[in-house]
Amino acid sequence: DVKVTQSSRYLVKRTGEKVFLECVQDMDHENMFWYRQDPGLGLRLIYFSYDVKMKEKGDIPEGYSVSREKKERFSLILESASTNQTSMYLCASSADTQYFGPGTRLTVL
Amino acid sequence: KQEVTQIPAALSVPEGENLVLNCSFTDSAIYNLQWFRQDPGKGLTSLLLIQSSQREQTSGRLNASLDKSSGRSTLYIAASQPGDSATYLCAAPRADSWGKLQFGAGTQVVVTP
Repeated sequence: DVKVTQSSRYLVKRTGEKVFLECVQDMDHENMFWYRQDPGLGLRLIYFSYDVKMKEKGDIPEGYSVSREKKERFSLILESASTNQTSMYLCASSADTQYFGPGTRLTVL
Repeated sequence: KQEVTQIPAALSVPEGENLVLNCSFTDSAIYNLQWFRQDPGKGLTSLLLIQSSQREQTSGRLNASLDKSSGRSTLYIAASQPGDSATYLCAAPRADSWGKLQFGAGTQVVVTP
């Protein structure tokens, strides 16, 4: 059974903190993705990685960075969290079909 | 730029009725199309992937069709059940980068007992 896991289901952070969101997949997929989902705005792509150490900006990369040191792990980093980064964050991996993790609900106070 | 539209935005049906969910896309040069289900507060679950060479894909009570020439896909759910209540999203590949998807806004479905 395919599996994409995310490090936290719920996270509360303060403005200015550095935040790490971790995603791990066990399907040996080359492609991994980070999205955020907000009411009325739908799913928006933050960053995409197509191989280890390879990344590509998505539609809304500002305020975020990523790290892919190993094939199975893709990390999203909020360098200095702000309240407008309060959102649901979804990680996915794919060869053909995209498989999603359970999501992390991040609240920045 | 690929644009994906789902109509209606919301749908309520009594249990037992068949559901028909529509998805349209602007760039027909796609190699596949995917349908997902999302329960409140959860991640997306892949339902069906239709390759561009196929016209239909079936899984249990779910059947998805793809018509590239008209830029449309339809998801049929037979004999709906309250457990089918969820948001259903379709996604088509983006032209700017292989592997990326453009998602529709989704159709929120409520099946009443």
